Amino acid sequence: GAVVSQHPSRVICKSGTSVKIECRSLDFQATTMFWYRQFPKQSLMLMATSNEGSKATYEQGVEKDKFLINHASLTLSTLTVTSAHPEDSSFYICSARDANRGTVNQPQHFGDGTRLSIL
Amino acid sequence: KQEVTQIPAALSVPEGENLVLNCSFTDSAIYNLQWFRQDPGKGLTSLLLIQSSQREQTSGRLNASLDKSSGRSTLYIAASQPGDSATYLCAVNTGNQFYFGTGTSLTVIP
Repeated sequence: GAVVSQHPSRVICKSGTSVKIECRSLDFQATTMFWYRQFPKQSLMLMATSNEGSKATYEQGVEKDKFLINHASLTLSTLTVTSAHPEDSSFYICSARDANRGTVNQPQHFGDGTRLSIL
Repeated sequence: KQEVTQIPAALSVPEGENLVLNCSFTDSAIYNLQWFRQDPGKGLTSLLLIQSSQREQTSGRLNASLDKSSGRSTLYIAASQPGDSATYLCAVNTGNQFYFGTGTSLTVIP
């Protein structure tokens, strides 16, 4: 079945560090990938939609200069949290939809998530 | 804007019981609805996907129903097991994005 690999699974770093998270579709092509964030005891919230070869679309309230998204190929999207601060500590999950299966009716496939802790 | 609500927020049942989780959404213009399971600190595992034209989907002990016109979906778990303990999330697909519910935290007591 379709697999999405997310790396790293856990990051602990000092305040001010920039952190890059990778999301790869392993056995399918994904023209669109989604980045979500989940704070403790809250639901997943969409941060941005990553489109291959074009700029990402950010949700209201998400700082595009702080959360840099690059979707340079059909199998890889990266999220870089720049100059991270403790309030950025969260669980980040990516998902992807199989481009070759066409319509929006296809299920999304999720990565295992990245637990980011900023000290 | 689409809003997704899940009731109850938490549920604790003895092993072997059948149970129902509820999901409601405010805008019936959806493509599909997906139920997920999330274990603590882990990513999402897709359980069932129901297209907007479908009424229900079954997988093993799980059965999900969809009533699009009333904006409701249920996830039925038969003969619950301790291994079913997790948070269950529903998400509606509007075509542009998924909207997630806040989840139901299920504990199955041995």
